[in-house]
Amino acid sequence: GAVVSQHPSRVICKSGTSVKIECRSLDFQATTMFWYRQFPKKSLMLMATSNEGSKATYEQGVEKDKFLINHASLTLSTLTVTSAHPEDSSFYICSAENRALNTEAFFGQGTRLTVV
Amino acid sequence: GIQVEQSPPDLILQEGANSTLRCNFSDSVNNLQWFHQNPWGQLINLFYIPSGTKQNGRLSATTVATERYSLLYISSSQTTDSGVYFCAVGISYDKVIFGPGTSLSVIP
Repeated sequence: GAVVSQHPSRVICKSGTSVKIECRSLDFQATTMFWYRQFPKKSLMLMATSNEGSKATYEQGVEKDKFLINHASLTLSTLTVTSAHPEDSSFYICSAENRALNTEAFFGQGTRLTVV
Repeated sequence: GIQVEQSPPDLILQEGANSTLRCNFSDSVNNLQWFHQNPWGQLINLFYIPSGTKQNGRLSATTVATERYSLLYISSSQTTDSGVYFCAVGISYDKVIFGPGTSLSVIP
């Protein structure tokens, strides 16, 4: 299957700083990318959907000024957690798909963010 | 929006036993995937199965789209099968939603 690379896999940052997470589709063009958040022992919750070249669509309750999403190219989307606080600590996962191909979504390895 | 349910929520199996996990969804979908999340958090895509039946080794899956459910069969379970199994569904040009998951523990 297609490969989606997410970086970094783990990050520890100080409270008040910003952290950028990258999601890259390595061998296909991703027209759409999704960002999910997972709390311990919980399911994956969709945060936002990003389409290349347009603004991301955020799910209800997700602060778009806190979680900045950029999808500037067909192979890269970034999620920036701004002014991070301990409650932002979580596991973040991206997925990518090419809707013209009508295949499944492919997922990155996830990023475990710890804010201290 | 579409609702996804999974059962059972938790399952403990003796190594070698078989099991069936179920996913019910509230609307027609054209994207259904089964995932295994291992204890390190890695999400492994098991099946892309919006309809029909597929098999991969000891695992197989069946989706009956008209009745809005999918089943994941695990045969001859092994301790490495432990983890959380998620069903995720989606509609064309719309988001993919995850079910709550089934937490599986296989004991030797």
